Amino acid sequence: NAGVTQTPKFRVLKTGQSMTLLCAQDMNHEYMYWYRQDPGMGLRLIHYSVGEGTTAKGEVPDGYNVSRLKKQNFLLGLESAAPSQTSVYFCASKVAGSAGEQFFGPGTRLTVL
Amino acid sequence: GEDVEQSLFLSVREGDSSVINCTYTDSSSTYLYWYKQEPGAGLQLLTYIFSNMDMKQDQRLTVLLNKKDKHLSLRIADTQTGDSAIYFCAVPNYGGSQGNLIFGKGTKLSVKP
Repeated sequence: NAGVTQTPKFRVLKTGQSMTLLCAQDMNHEYMYWYRQDPGMGLRLIHYSVGEGTTAKGEVPDGYNVSRLKKQNFLLGLESAAPSQTSVYFCASKVAGSAGEQFFGPGTRLTVL
Repeated sequence: GEDVEQSLFLSVREGDSSVINCTYTDSSSTYLYWYKQEPGAGLQLLTYIFSNMDMKQDQRLTVLLNKKDKHLSLRIADTQTGDSAIYFCAVPNYGGSQGNLIFGKGTKLSVKP
């Protein structure tokens, strides 16, 4: 099992460009999450999904969109990137329910110039 | 909403014990988690404790929970250089139904030889 994978690993964008980050998991998990990690800020939840075809906003959703067309994939889109979106992005997944471990991907380091 | 606080840095000598502290605000938290992040990697679950427990021990790790004071601690015995990492305390948010977690900002543990 590959667990949770993220592509790309690194990306540099110019302000105003768009891109999509892909998260894939092979553990048949229902729930998936997108976080951003910034120095001194810990991890903040951007969007999450509790099942195929469903998404919901987290703590910092502005400037991002997500889609969960297939159970194993969770896409994070930036329509018009801004320097404030420079961050490390982590995807995670877990089984359904309130308890249980979140499994994290290795992260995508995004720089917006 | 839920707030989780941790000190940002801890430095210890190899062989000493490390104690990382965390305070939280939501008294309805069921499971409380400790995650570890090594440099350049995603987070991995280190250990967890159920809210009806006061203590949990797992090899070199001891988790203490004081529900009255909403205080959680992680003790690492015989700390090794390989324990150098960022440690995150995490508690459920939104009542925990979607498995959402609120993370502390992380404590960077530096182990000196």
